[in-house]
Amino acid sequence: NAGVTQTPKFQVLKTGQSMTLQCAQDMNHEYMSWYRQDPGMGLRLIHYSVGAGITDQGEVPNGYNVSRSTTEDFPLRLLSAAPSQTSVYFCASSWGLAGTWFFGPGTRLTVL
Amino acid sequence: AQTVTQSQPEMSVQEAETVTLSCTYDTSESDYYLFWYKQPPSRQMILVIRQEAYKQQNATENRFSVNFQKAAKSFSLKISDSQLGDAAMYFCAYRLPNAGGTSYGKLTFGQGTILTVHP
Repeated sequence: NAGVTQTPKFQVLKTGQSMTLQCAQDMNHEYMSWYRQDPGMGLRLIHYSVGAGITDQGEVPNGYNVSRSTTEDFPLRLLSAAPSQTSVYFCASSWGLAGTWFFGPGTRLTVL
Repeated sequence: AQTVTQSQPEMSVQEAETVTLSCTYDTSESDYYLFWYKQPPSRQMILVIRQEAYKQQNATENRFSVNFQKAAKSFSLKISDSQLGDAAMYFCAYRLPNAGGTSYGKLTFGQGTILTVHP
């Protein structure tokens, strides 16, 4: 049982490049989400999913796309990277009515 | 919208002493959940403790306990017998139950408190 996994752990992009941050969980959790962590701002919700095929925007969705074709996977796409997207990104998953959220190890992204 | 505020950017404590981290939140709901997460330098987010709003009894987990004041919308974390391994960033978080639809179940975080433990 690997829990929540994220790849890559580190990534450097140039402005305008695109990439996909991968997230997978093997706990059969319905709920998955993406957060970004910036100094002094805590973790802010980017996108959210309550099941395969169902996604919703969070607090800071601009510049990011998601899709959820399977229960296990919830990739986050940066369409055209900008320096403002330099951050640490966390994927998380949860189950049930009152489930605790479990987090992946994070991806540190730098956009030059 | 729900908000969570941690008013202490940094706190410090001597090893074996007790420290309390503060958290306040704003909500119009009566049923919700509160959490404290620990983030050590490894960056991994680790659940420390959770509290259900419908429970009057304060949650405890070994050396960690909370003081949950529902009317005051306050949720502080007390760490007793502090250890060097407790040094980390601590986040307070709030969520509504997964009652259906896409508006529920999301975690809202405070800004975090950096805890330093002195030997």
